[in-house]
Amino acid sequence: EVQLVESGGGLVQPGRSLRLSCAASGFTFDDYAMHWVRQPPGKGLEWVSGISWNSGKMTYADSVKGRFTISRDNAKNSLYLQMNSLRSEDTALYYCAKDVTVRGVNTEPFDYWGQGALVTVSS
Amino acid sequence: SYVLTQPPSVSVAPGETASITCGGNNIARTSVHWYRQKPGQAPVLVIYYDSDRPSGIPERFSGSNFGSTATLTISRVEGGDEADYYCQVWDSSSDWVFGGGTKLTVL
Repeated sequence: EVQLVESGGGLVQPGRSLRLSCAASGFTFDDYAMHWVRQPPGKGLEWVSGISWNSGKMTYADSVKGRFTISRDNAKNSLYLQMNSLRSEDTALYYCAKDVTVRGVNTEPFDYWGQGALVTVSS
Repeated sequence: SYVLTQPPSVSVAPGETASITCGGNNIARTSVHWYRQKPGQAPVLVIYYDSDRPSGIPERFSGSNFGSTATLTISRVEGGDEADYYCQVWDSSSDWVFGGGTKLTVL
């Protein structure tokens, strides 16, 4: 059974940093691109960042480019999102999601999602 | 950047057919994916590559993509179909884009 479990969320002051983790199991992690998608309270989905299966390609939404960094450790079956210079508008539930295609190029849909980690940016 | 437009809400009676649209500039040139999100739950992929269904998704769910509009169609709607539905595309200038979401209400 595929499982994605996010952790690392919490309350943080504007301008500070936070690192999210996503622990994956139930599939061959290093065969799939992975993504972060966020959802502000009561609002819609926004794609944040994606990373290819071998970390050869990382992509970011314009809203987080230069502030967030996606990475993965295939030996640990884990995905990460380093979030710096956080702003109030970054407040959201952050989901990690798995690409549907083996060794895709970050352009495939997402077939499994975690339950999310809540990040609240407030003073 | 590429923009996807969905109606905020759609209402349908049980047993009827619900159609949820997703508008975008020449959207038919790209593949559209659809997700269902029930309250307090993570999104679930219900249609991908315009009209394919992942395993476990009922045949009542179908999709189409022509011209400037993609459509998710749910036949014989049930109470359990009540949820928010999001369309998604990949665009070379915007990477991944989601529509604003449509709340499906079963009357």
